[in-house]
Amino acid sequence: QVQLVQSGGEVKKPGASVKVSCKASGYPFTNYGITWVRQAPGQGLEWMGWISVYNGNTDYAQKFQGRITMTTDTSTTTAYMELRSLRSDDTAVYYCARHIYGGISDWFDPWGQGTLVAVSS
Amino acid sequence: QSVLTQPPSASGTPGQRVTISCSGSSSNIGINTVNWYQQLPGTAPRLLIYSDNQRPSGVPDRFSGSKSGTSASLTISGLQSEDEADYYCAAWDDSLNGYVFGTGTKVTAL
Repeated sequence: QVQLVQSGGEVKKPGASVKVSCKASGYPFTNYGITWVRQAPGQGLEWMGWISVYNGNTDYAQKFQGRITMTTDTSTTTAYMELRSLRSDDTAVYYCARHIYGGISDWFDPWGQGTLVAVSS
Repeated sequence: QSVLTQPPSASGTPGQRVTISCSGSSSNIGINTVNWYQQLPGTAPRLLIYSDNQRPSGVPDRFSGSKSGTSASLTISGLQSEDEADYYCAAWDDSLNGYVFGTGTKVTAL
């Protein structure tokens, strides 16, 4: 079955970086993209950006440009999201999801289980 | 500060029909399709409706989506206790050149 399995939770200090992984299985990895979404405690969903696995093109939300990098490794069907210069308000659960796209339609299915990143001094 | 506005809560008794609205603009819902996601307590979001009104396999047919102009709606026909969750609308926004989620609606079965 189509599945995305994320790496475990992390605790980081302000100013540090975090790299979350997302292992995909059950589908042709290069035929879809990977999107990243985060959710702060008790808050809603926030889209961070996505990467086309096929050609490596990325699209980042303006809010994160300059301190986020998304990559993929097709040999291991794994996607990565690195966020730098962490602040306390980056504390959130980070989700990856398969990004399905076509024309005016984009949607995310399925989602990974989430990775809690806590930023605290 | 989401660009898609939803009511913070909605409720109904089991079996009742519940509708959630999602208000956007000409740069998102007005020109792109809408998706809906369900997030059960303590779990990852799950795709519920895509391309305005399409249900993925495995989603019960009591869930339906519609769109008119710059607004969209999710309807649960026959609310069940297991439908208690947070629901988010979402769409691509051409002005922001990014994907935007709604503010979220918490559905409660009374």
